[in-house]
Amino acid sequence: GENVEQHPSTLSVQEGDSAVIKCTYSDSASNYFPWYKQELGKRPQLIIDIRSNVGEKKDQRIAVTLNKTAKHFSLHITETQPEDSAVYFCAASKAGGGADGLTFGKGTHLIIQP
Amino acid sequence: GAVVSQHPSWVICKSGTSVKIECRSLDFQATTMFWYRQFPKQSLMLMATSNEGSKATYEQGVEKDKFLINHASLTLSTLTVTSAHPEDSSFYICSAKSPRNRNQPQHFGDGTRLSIL
Repeated sequence: GENVEQHPSTLSVQEGDSAVIKCTYSDSASNYFPWYKQELGKRPQLIIDIRSNVGEKKDQRIAVTLNKTAKHFSLHITETQPEDSAVYFCAASKAGGGADGLTFGKGTHLIIQP
Repeated sequence: GAVVSQHPSWVICKSGTSVKIECRSLDFQATTMFWYRQFPKQSLMLMATSNEGSKATYEQGVEKDKFLINHASLTLSTLTVTSAHPEDSSFYICSAKSPRNRNQPQHFGDGTRLSIL
């Protein structure tokens, strides 16, 4: 089955700086890669996703890049703010994210230092 | 937008009790729902895929007789943790997706925090 590795497990950055979280996946058939933000005790919230036919996607301060050849994808957050502090999960699935469940990375605890 | 409701949000019960968790899609029909489990400070792990009108598909290592899944309608899937023990204490989260648009992401419920004493 699919295996998703995520690094780092903890990331501390100064407010205003950029944060980058990286993930690799093992199944070349995976074609959907979402990123979720989870605050303590709450459900994961989708912040951005990318499909395998696209190399990069951006939404305001958040961007995701995908390298299918290397089987890795990254989350980039620019101009970080205190409210960005949370646990971030990458995930992968096949069939457009619908027919197959998501395989999650282990998560990155992002800490924004004021 | 699409909403998934999960109930109860929190349950505490004695060891040996069976606990049922409901997952409802409120404004769309979901032929497929997913059940995940999340232990404290860990990631979400897919337990099973719930298919309306047919048997659920369980991930490797998940006991189907322990975690009973019923998806009797297009808007409701239930997960029953049978004879729960302290090691079953976890955060259980369901998700669903509208089959009408395969490009739409999954929508997660608010989760159920299960504590077995």
